[in-house]
Amino acid sequence: GAGVSQTPSNKVTEKGKYVELRCDPISGHTALYWYRQSLGQGPEFLIYFQGTGAADDSGLPNDRFFAVRPEGSVSTLKIQRTERGDSAVYLCASSPQVGNEQFFGPGTRLTVL
Amino acid sequence: AQSVAQPEDQVNVAEGNPLTVKCTYSVSGNPYLFWYVQYPNRGLQFLLKYITGDNLVKGSYGFEAEFNKSQTSFHLKKPSALVSDSALYFCAVRGPLTGRRALTFGSGTRLQVQP
Repeated sequence: GAGVSQTPSNKVTEKGKYVELRCDPISGHTALYWYRQSLGQGPEFLIYFQGTGAADDSGLPNDRFFAVRPEGSVSTLKIQRTERGDSAVYLCASSPQVGNEQFFGPGTRLTVL
Repeated sequence: AQSVAQPEDQVNVAEGNPLTVKCTYSVSGNPYLFWYVQYPNRGLQFLLKYITGDNLVKGSYGFEAEFNKSQTSFHLKKPSALVSDSALYFCAVRGPLTGRRALTFGSGTRLQVQP
């Protein structure tokens, strides 16, 4: 079956611009996670949704970052006033229920010039 | 707080030899432990998990991992390495269901299998 998909695969933007990154989870998965992976590092947690609500947003680095999941399926990660330090691969994962393994998408590589 | 340590940045092994990739963890309560593999320009792929039960867990592609509670370790192993096993391996932990849901990852270990 179809896995987690993320669009775009690559995004290049200029400092100060606004970007949106999209995640389409595996059908039926209720839990959705966003992580950020910098070069040479493991993924770092950003935010977790259970259904439509953000159950844990403790990983968001600051208020420039925001994510939504309005219908409990597709999620969008939004970054305002991008900074060069935001450059990373943004990974999305989903799982059928809390406690199970997470299935990751291929990621969106964000480059802020 | 939960954390994971992967003490080796890189592990080199000859094809056909056994391999071990080390992982130690820290978490409150009983841990949920995972291993993922990442190939170049691809997402993380799940290999195996330990939730409860037998300390030796078997996963995909012939990999297995041994949970050791006293040493807080969860080392990844394979009896006979393949060149195609060369990739980046991540260990991850999360606390029990009442705790934080997100995974905490180690910094990764690059496995290089030489022909």
